[in-house]
Amino acid sequence: AQKITQTQPGMFVQEKEAVTLDCTYDTSDPSYGLFWYKQPSSGEMIFLIYQGSYDQQNATEGRYSLNFQKARKSANLVISASQLGDSAMYFCAMREVARPGANNLFFGTGTRLTVIP
Amino acid sequence: NAGVMQNPRHLVRRRGQEARLRCSPMKGHSHVYWYRQLPEEGLKFMVYLQKENIIDESGMPKERFSAEFPKEGPSILRIQQVVRGDSAAYFCASSPGQEAYEQYFGPGTRLTVT
Repeated sequence: AQKITQTQPGMFVQEKEAVTLDCTYDTSDPSYGLFWYKQPSSGEMIFLIYQGSYDQQNATEGRYSLNFQKARKSANLVISASQLGDSAMYFCAMREVARPGANNLFFGTGTRLTVIP
Repeated sequence: NAGVMQNPRHLVRRRGQEARLRCSPMKGHSHVYWYRQLPEEGLKFMVYLQKENIIDESGMPKERFSAEFPKEGPSILRIQQVVRGDSAAYFCASSPGQEAYEQYFGPGTRLTVT
């Protein structure tokens, strides 16, 4: 079973509008972390935001917020006031903290976001 | 404050040759992770190392691939007898410790096998 599922291969958004990128996850571990990374066309992986499974509040970082719905196992990324520079691939990832010795991230297949001027 | 360094950024090898990819973690980081990204796919975990130890190699192919993180110097991902299917971007990430949640990624090495 896929640990991270991103069902939107591509998304378009008008500049200055908000956009939500979907992510669902699958784990039986009680303790885990959820991440979003941005990969522009240059190829590097840029960390955007983190949500711990026990965090009471949704994470926010500037224009990025994470809509964490634990019961639904979803961790959608919301980008407000989109900018042309937001055009990139976006990856959702998960780390299962409880697994001994394991520290790796599981990544989804990504969503390509295009911001339209 | 230098980030994670990877070199080379681009590497071209003919089938059957060896590829060596290097990763220098961020200063103060002793944990290194290698991931592979095939074209149009997400990153897939390969191996997790601490200095002189392989902690988790559950994502490494059984043959031709090896990794090390010596006491001194960068971490090395070595691919012997490369095949076309090895063409991918290889990313290294580092963290200061197992409890740290964030992994900082390097710019990646793009391997092309001709």
